[in-house]
Amino acid sequence: AQTVTQSQPEMSVQEAETVTLSCTYDTSESDYYLFWYKQPPSRQMILVIRQEAYKQQNATENRFSVNFQKAAKSFSLKISDSQLGDAAMYFCAYRTRTYNTDKLIFGTGTRLQVFP
Amino acid sequence: GAVVSQHPSWVICKSGTSVKIECRSLDFQATTMFWYRQFPKQSLMLMATSNEGSKATYEQGVEKDKFLINHASLTLSTLTVTSAHPEDSSFYICSASGSVHEQFFGPGTRLTVL
Repeated sequence: AQTVTQSQPEMSVQEAETVTLSCTYDTSESDYYLFWYKQPPSRQMILVIRQEAYKQQNATENRFSVNFQKAAKSFSLKISDSQLGDAAMYFCAYRTRTYNTDKLIFGTGTRLQVFP
Repeated sequence: GAVVSQHPSWVICKSGTSVKIECRSLDFQATTMFWYRQFPKQSLMLMATSNEGSKATYEQGVEKDKFLINHASLTLSTLTVTSAHPEDSSFYICSASGSVHEQFFGPGTRLTVL
């Protein structure tokens, strides 16, 4: 079975600085999706970024980028020029492409604090 | 696009009563809907997956008779918490996926059982 591990329960960063959130996963599949979701205090889940495993190029969305290391089964999220609005829970998630399901497997989350 | 709504956003009920939570996809057809439960400062725990017109598939440990799920149309799924007790108090989140095979999340429902 697939598992997703986020080893950092909490992280903090100063405004305008860069922070990296870690995520590792375990799977025997070769084709899958990986996601980072943000959950602000409103608790609305927001998709931050998505990576398809067959793509070697790391995904980027404005200030958010990932470092996808398929062999190491690592998928970290880098937030550049951090803003106060980035403060939230961040969840890493895995989704298979092998089977006909959209089911997500979530990590335990990392709480990011941003200090002015 | 891809908006999912939940109703109500919060509900307080007495122990022993049943509560229904609605999840609607507003601008797309949701072939699959998911129901999650989230405890404070914890991750989302998948309760069940429902496909339109068929019975829901429950995760291990989730009581089917306690949490009734109905996915009657391509835009609506309901979760009914039957005979609710204080331990059922939690934050319930639904999500929906359609042709693009990506989950879009609702804003959640806070249930408090007195």
